[in-house]
Amino acid sequence: EDQVTQSPEALRLQEGESSSLNCSYTVSGLRGLFWYRQDPGKGPEFLFTLYSAGEEKEKERLKATLTKKESFLHITAPKPEDSATYLCAVQAGLTGGGNKLTFGTGTQLKVEL
Amino acid sequence: DTEVTQTPKHLVMGMTNKKSLKCEQHMGHRAMYWYKQKAKKPPELMFVYSYEKLSINESVPSRFSPECPNSSLLNLHLHALQPEDSALYLCASSTSVVQGTEAFFGQGTRLTVV
Repeated sequence: EDQVTQSPEALRLQEGESSSLNCSYTVSGLRGLFWYRQDPGKGPEFLFTLYSAGEEKEKERLKATLTKKESFLHITAPKPEDSATYLCAVQAGLTGGGNKLTFGTGTQLKVEL
Repeated sequence: DTEVTQTPKHLVMGMTNKKSLKCEQHMGHRAMYWYKQKAKKPPELMFVYSYEKLSINESVPSRFSPECPNSSLLNLHLHALQPEDSALYLCASSTSVVQGTEAFFGQGTRLTVV
């Protein structure tokens, strides 16, 4: 069974204080690892897709990396507007003609002034 | 345009009511999904439609009935729900049903069953 574990559960940062969020996964046949941002009461917003170990993607203050067992979301010099829950999800193999996402429980990030 | 539109945004229904949630996308995506998300929990897959045919049902109770009238629309019909079914219901779509492509989510319908 596919498993995704995110840590920490919650993270408080001061504005400008860089840090990393972790996503560990156990799947058979990774087809993709995805990072989403979710604001309270809203749907997840797509950030990145990573496919193979060694791959990196960047967008503004965010950088996602992937190894064979885990992914990191690095946040450089965060701002209060980066406060949200960050979700990691994996897609493994082909299941009956559709792509199933298995989500981790998320990291709730709070960036303070 | 990566927009998935869900209506209504909020819904309150009694346990004997029948209601429907609607989802629309105009990105030409051929896979559409319903997810359920309880407070402080990650989204959980309910149904997958591939080329307008139901391809995955994650053992969802029959009081939830999905429908895909065409490639742009996805409905979720609700009947005889229980208070524990109160949650954020999310619709998503993706281009491919084979490759590992990203899913784009709507803003969700906040459902309260009273």
